[in-house]
Amino acid sequence: SAVISQKPSRDICQRGTSLTIQCQVDSQVTMMFWYRQQPGQSLTLIATANQGSEATYESGFVIDKFPISRPNLTFSTLTVSNMSPEDSSIYLCSVNRDTEMYGGTFGSGTRLTVV
Amino acid sequence: AQRVTQPEKLLSVFKGAPVELKCNYSYSGSPELFWYVQYSRQRLQLLLRHISRESIKGFTADLNKGETSFHLKKPFAQEEDSAMYYCALRDSSYKLIFGSGTRLLVRP
Repeated sequence: SAVISQKPSRDICQRGTSLTIQCQVDSQVTMMFWYRQQPGQSLTLIATANQGSEATYESGFVIDKFPISRPNLTFSTLTVSNMSPEDSSIYLCSVNRDTEMYGGTFGSGTRLTVV
Repeated sequence: AQRVTQPEKLLSVFKGAPVELKCNYSYSGSPELFWYVQYSRQRLQLLLRHISRESIKGFTADLNKGETSFHLKKPFAQEEDSAMYYCALRDSSYKLIFGSGTRLLVRP
C-alpha cells in the first residue's frame, strides 16, 4: 500500500489566519481525499482531489474555506482559511486506488487547534 | 441515503471473552465494506475488507446483505485489541463513509 507523509502533525493557530496542510505520497495515485475528524466524532469527507481537475466538495464544505491543490499525482494540499475555533479538528488525507480490494491508506493526520 | 451505523460507542470486555462490534449500513447499490482500526497514538489503518473474506489478528467480518450488517467478531479478545474501530462503506466514487466508531476496551 502507499505511504503517506502529512505535515504539519499539529499546529496551534490564531483565529482569522490560514493553515496549509501538505500530503505527500510515495507513489502515484489517482484519487486523494481530505477528511476531517472533529473532537469525539467520526471522519467526515471534505473533498475529493483528483489531479487535473477541480476538487469536488461534499455538502457543507466550500472551496473558499477549504481550498485544495493537486498539482501532480503524488502531492496535495488543503488550506483551512479564516480559521475559527470550530475548525479545531484532525485533518487527514487519504489515497485510494481503483482496485476492488483496496481500502485506502491514511496519513497520520494534522491536529489543528484554533485559539 | 448512504449511511453507516455503529450503535455502540464503547464496548468493554474481559480478556479472553468474545467480541462483536456491530455495524449496519444503508446503501442502494452493491456495498463495499471495510473495518478500520486506530490504536492509541497511531494512524487509522485498514483491518478488514469484506471482499477478501480474510481473518486479520483473529478478527472476521461477514457481510449479511439481508440484515445489511457487517459485524466484526473475534472469539477471544486480547488486551492489545483495545482501540477505536470504524466501519466504513465505500461508494462507487471510492469515497469512504464512516460510522461513528466503537471504542473497544479489553480489560485484563
